[in-house]
Amino acid sequence: AQSVTQPDIHITVSEGASLELRCNYSYGATPYLFWYVQSPGQGLQLLLKYFSGDTLVQGIKGFEAEFKRSQSSFNLRKPSVHWSDAAEYFCAVEDSWGKLQFGAGTQVVVTP
Amino acid sequence: GAVVSQHPSRVICKSGTSVKIECRSLDFQATTMFWYRQFPKQSLMLMATSNEGSKATYEQGVEKDKFLINHASLTLSTLTVTSAHPEDSSFYICSAQTGGEEGEQFFGPGTRLTVL
Repeated sequence: AQSVTQPDIHITVSEGASLELRCNYSYGATPYLFWYVQSPGQGLQLLLKYFSGDTLVQGIKGFEAEFKRSQSSFNLRKPSVHWSDAAEYFCAVEDSWGKLQFGAGTQVVVTP
Repeated sequence: GAVVSQHPSRVICKSGTSVKIECRSLDFQATTMFWYRQFPKQSLMLMATSNEGSKATYEQGVEKDKFLINHASLTLSTLTVTSAHPEDSSFYICSAQTGGEEGEQFFGPGTRLTVL
């Protein structure tokens, strides 16, 4: 069975600093991987996804993620965070039936 | 992107009553919708997969008689929490999947259920 691990429950970062959120997965086949952001009062928004091809994926809001098969990782990065990036971030893997399994989430706090 | 709405956004009810939550895809048709439950500070847990015109498929451990799902049209799925109890208090989120081989799930804003 697939699983997704987000080792960091909470991250605090200064505005303008870089951000990296870790995600490790366990899946038997080539995974479909996703990063979502959840802000209070809003639905989950897809930041980016990886299905195949280039292992460095560009997403919205200046985010990117790199798929590393050898490390079973799909870490999310942003070079310079904005106060509006404060939110909960979820990594997810999709199984062959189209079901998403989410990691526990990482809460990002942005300080001035 | 596609828009999914949920109604109500927040509901408080007495123990023993039933509550219906609606999930609508506003600008696309969704053959498949999903219902998730999210506890505070925790991840989303898939409860069931709802397919238009057929019975929902429930995940292991989810009581189908407790959480009734109806997907009567390509734009509407409903989740009814029957005889709600305080332990059913949670954040319920739906998603609707677009068509095609790489169908994407678009999520509703969620419904906060509090059972007194």
